Amino acid sequence: DQQVKQNSPSLSVQEGRISILNCDYTNSMFDYFLWYKKYPAEGPTFLISISSIKDKNEDGRFTVFLNKSAKHLSLHIVPSQPGDSAVYFCAASGRGIQGAQKLVFGQGTRLTINP
Amino acid sequence: ETGVTQSPTHLIKTRGQQVTLRCSSQSGHNTVSWYQQALGQGPQFIFQYYREEENGRGNFPPRFSGLQFPNYSSELNVNALELDDSALYLCASSPLGPANYQETQYFGPGTRLLVL
Repeated sequence: DQQVKQNSPSLSVQEGRISILNCDYTNSMFDYFLWYKKYPAEGPTFLISISSIKDKNEDGRFTVFLNKSAKHLSLHIVPSQPGDSAVYFCAASGRGIQGAQKLVFGQGTRLTINP
Repeated sequence: ETGVTQSPTHLIKTRGQQVTLRCSSQSGHNTVSWYQQALGQGPQFIFQYYREEENGRGNFPPRFSGLQFPNYSSELNVNALELDDSALYLCASSPLGPANYQETQYFGPGTRLLVL
């Protein structure tokens, strides 16, 4: 039962353009969402998060949008840079789920930025 | 400020053996969570420790066990290793405790375990 899904295993974007990574979830108890970036041989690095009381959160080049009715969130990176090439994971957590701070991850999307 | 550290970085074991992985949480962080990441998958929650007690467990058998020490560092122990236990094991820490569920977990670099 995959409660958090990233349906695109890979995405290729031209340098300077916008990268849009998508994530869907099924559990309505989730109310806090995070994006992590992962380089090979390193642990996931926190990028940005959003609470369910918001529909948008912005930090520099990174913006996360949350559509609760559709149970969908997306990460926008503008402009995309070669250093953004990595695997991106969407994660969710929520009160009431066993182990309240448990993060449930998607399968990841490999982003490649082409020069 | 020191981030999350894990040891060892790599480990090779044979089926049936036991393994202990170690994690030092980020300075000031009192909660430690462990995750297993199989190849091509997202991390999966194993369990979380807070105030030296297990606080929530994922869908892992009892041969996966852990400890948290007074300095908030933690160990993950896996007994009777199976081939499917081969994975990257990630430790994450967070500062405020499980009641503050809307907080970020910060990950270490992981320990890559290979079971032959």
